[in-house]
Amino acid sequence: AQSVTQPDIHITVSEGASLELRCNYSYGATPYLFWYVQSPGQGLQLLLKYFSGDTLVQGIKGFEAEFKRSQSSFNLRKPSVHWSDAAEYFCAVVRPGAGSYQLTFGKGTKLSVIP
Amino acid sequence: IAGITQAPTSQILAAGRRMTLRCTQDMRHNAMYWYRQDLGLGLRLIHYSNTAGTTGKGEVPDGYSVSRANTDDFPLTLASAVPSQTSVYFCASSDAGGTYNEQFFGPGTRLTVL
Repeated sequence: AQSVTQPDIHITVSEGASLELRCNYSYGATPYLFWYVQSPGQGLQLLLKYFSGDTLVQGIKGFEAEFKRSQSSFNLRKPSVHWSDAAEYFCAVVRPGAGSYQLTFGKGTKLSVIP
Repeated sequence: IAGITQAPTSQILAAGRRMTLRCTQDMRHNAMYWYRQDLGLGLRLIHYSNTAGTTGKGEVPDGYSVSRANTDDFPLTLASAVPSQTSVYFCASSDAGGTYNEQFFGPGTRLTVL
């Protein structure tokens, strides 16, 4: 079964610092890859997605992610974090051709931002 | 455009009671999903529906049932609630036949079973 690992449960960064959130997946073929953000008390919002092609994808709110097939990773990055980025971030995968298009989520990384 | 609406926003329920969580989407998406979110576990799929009239089991289906009588509505029923079903429930939908498989999420229902 495919799985998604987010090794960092909680990360704290200073405002203006760079950010990298890690995500690894366990599956033989390249799945579809997603990053979602959840602000406190809110639903999930899609930040960016990777299906194929250019391995560096740009998303909303200044986020980007890089797909590395050799490492089975899809890490999320932002050059300069803003206080409003404090939220929980979820990596998710869909196995193409599975028929049901079910998202499998990682357990999430909570981001705290120090002013 | 409302997107996905869920009702109720929150609910406290006595164990053993029956409860239906409602989900409605106005995007004409063919696929809909129910997830539960628990601290430290992320989101886990309960049930899904690829199209009206069909449903399937996800990762944690026990104790839950769903129906999909039409495109827009996908209610989740707890026949006899137990405390372990205390969670935040999210409904989602996607255009599974389209090029991209983005799932759009509702605002969630916070359920407490005592």
